[in-house]
Amino acid sequence: QVQLVESGGDLVKPGGSLRLSCVASGFTFSDYYMSWIRQAPGKGLEWVSYIGGTTYPIYFPESLKGRFSISRDNAKNSLYLQINSLRVEDTAVYYCAMSGTRTDPTRAFDIRGQGTMVTVSS
Amino acid sequence: QSALTQPHSVSGSPGQSVTISCAGTSSDVGTYNHVSWYQQHPGKAPKLILYDVIKRPSGVPDRFSGSKSGQTASLTISGLQAEDEADYYCCSYAAGYPHWVFGGGAKLTVL
Repeated sequence: QVQLVESGGDLVKPGGSLRLSCVASGFTFSDYYMSWIRQAPGKGLEWVSYIGGTTYPIYFPESLKGRFSISRDNAKNSLYLQINSLRVEDTAVYYCAMSGTRTDPTRAFDIRGQGTMVTVSS
Repeated sequence: QSALTQPHSVSGSPGQSVTISCAGTSSDVGTYNHVSWYQQHPGKAPKLILYDVIKRPSGVPDRFSGSKSGQTASLTISGLQAEDEADYYCCSYAAGYPHWVFGGGAKLTVL
């Protein structure tokens, strides 16, 4: 059974940092492109980041470049999102998602976990 | 302001069909066939229900179908059921930054 379990969310003060993790199971993690999506309370969905099956390519929205970084450890079936200089507007549930494979690049987000909540407040 | 435009709300009676539109531009929906749709029930994670405009992931009922014409994509739900009441989001791959854009979401009410 395909599972994605996010963790690492917390209450942090503006300017702080967090590292979110996503552990995958039930599929060959290294075959899949992966993404992070977020949803602010009461708001819609926002694409945050994308990483290829190994390390590249890596994509971010222009508005998040510089503060966000994405990485993966295929040996640990894990995806990470490092967020620095946190802002109040980063408050959201962060979901990791499968985004297809090299042979079937769906360019979509298959979310299989419940997300992890990041709250930025003083 | 979302990059893709969806109606705020739609409604229909059980058994009827409803269509949710998703208007984009020539930089996203108009160029790429990488339009996806997500269903989200209150307090739950979003669920992928359509990708590449018309493809359904395994387990998604064929009552859910997609289409695209020009710069507008559409999700049609036929044979409405009470459990279809949820928020629906469209998303498209896009040229340049950002690489993916979402719609603001449409709330479906089953009367």
